[in-house]
Amino acid sequence: EAGVTQSPTHLIKTRGQQATLRCSPISGHTSVYWYQQALGLGLQFLLWYDEGEERNRGNFPPRFSGRQFPNYSSELNVNALELEDSALYLCASSLGYGSPGGFGNSPLHFGNGTRLTVT
Amino acid sequence: DQQVKQNSPSLSVQEGRISILNCDYTNSMFDYFLWYKKYPAEGPTFLISISSIKDKNEDGRFTVFLNKSAKHLSLHIVPSQPGDSAVYFCAASPASGTYKYIFGTGTRLKVLA
Repeated sequence: EAGVTQSPTHLIKTRGQQATLRCSPISGHTSVYWYQQALGLGLQFLLWYDEGEERNRGNFPPRFSGRQFPNYSSELNVNALELEDSALYLCASSLGYGSPGGFGNSPLHFGNGTRLTVT
Repeated sequence: DQQVKQNSPSLSVQEGRISILNCDYTNSMFDYFLWYKKYPAEGPTFLISISSIKDKNEDGRFTVFLNKSAKHLSLHIVPSQPGDSAVYFCAASPASGTYKYIFGTGTRLKVLA
């Protein structure tokens, strides 16, 4: 079973530019989560998509946005990049909201992340 | 507001001994808890979970204990191995509503050979 894949592995942008990060979930998973891990900090919840809809978002400004495609892959867009956006961005997938067995008991499976550097 | 706290940023343990990683939470609505292990340059790997209807869950060398009254969970690794050296994150999720998994800040475990 292929795991969660993220691309690119590394991304270098300058302040003010836009960044697009991509994620392919595990086959059969319909929920995709995005997390930010800044240096020395824990995982901060960014966005949750399920069945193509944004279900929840964390405490981040609107310039962080994304979408989920019909094949359940997802992209995260960060507009007007700032230096403090430099971080590891992790995508995770899980069984979806309507899955049998209870969505709340479905662990997240993470990709290896995209390291975004803003200069 | 840090709803999930890992107050020990680091822990060193001798190989073969027990490693105990702790996690506290503040939100009584949390009812599903997970532990993840993270190596550098990799994403977190799911280790073990526990729901609030249990107070213990075991998987090989890993055991998670949940004390709901104290809002505390711990991960025991016995025996500890050098390959267990990593950052460990606990995470919590409510039974319904947002399904937003909240992560702690992590504890760096170093197992000394």
